[in-house]
Amino acid sequence: AQSVTQLGSHVSVSEGALVLLRCNYSSSVPPYLFWYVQYPNQGLQLLLKYTTGATLVKGINGFEAEFKKSETSFHLTKPSAHMSDAAEYFCAVSPDSGGSNYKLTFGKGTLLTVNP
Amino acid sequence: DTGVSQDPRHKITKRGQNVTFRCDPISEHNRLYWYRQTLGQGPEFLTYFQNEAQLEKSRLLSDRFSAERPKGSFSTLEIQRTEQGDSAMYLCASSDYTGSAFFGQGTRLTVV
Repeated sequence: AQSVTQLGSHVSVSEGALVLLRCNYSSSVPPYLFWYVQYPNQGLQLLLKYTTGATLVKGINGFEAEFKKSETSFHLTKPSAHMSDAAEYFCAVSPDSGGSNYKLTFGKGTLLTVNP
Repeated sequence: DTGVSQDPRHKITKRGQNVTFRCDPISEHNRLYWYRQTLGQGPEFLTYFQNEAQLEKSRLLSDRFSAERPKGSFSTLEIQRTEQGDSAMYLCASSDYTGSAFFGQGTRLTVV
């Protein structure tokens, strides 16, 4: 079974400041990990994913995340926030089950506010 | 290809009525998923298709819910005898063998 905990339901940063959104996961098998972004009344857009290999993953819009197995974490960062980054962010996990199913288990989300 | 398409975007229905939603996945994707998202929560898995076969159903999917994917292309999700608790955003996603799921814009259902 998998689960995801996102620490902080709401994060507020100033424009130009570092963005750090926290995600911890629980998985009984090696996980695939994902970050999605959701704008109001929209679907989810994939930011980045970790499957295997390099633990630092770069995504779209300047975001990156690092898989830390020992800490069971997959935190999302961006060096400098833009106003357009204001949205809700979801961390998700799926089991690395050899390709048979990629059902995602999501966290509850973190709403990012960017202040001018 | 313009991505995953869902129709309608919004649906308001009276309690007790039946509703049907449609999802057109990315054409080369053989996996299709339905999720439900309520306010302030992350999406919750409902069901999964690989080609035309429905391989997994969540316990959230009561017997009032049915999903189909004829011919392994588009999919429909039907809710019979809607209840106010069914009000949510219904999201469809598709993926290929790499596992990256791409989501549609969702159908927002309001049961009054």
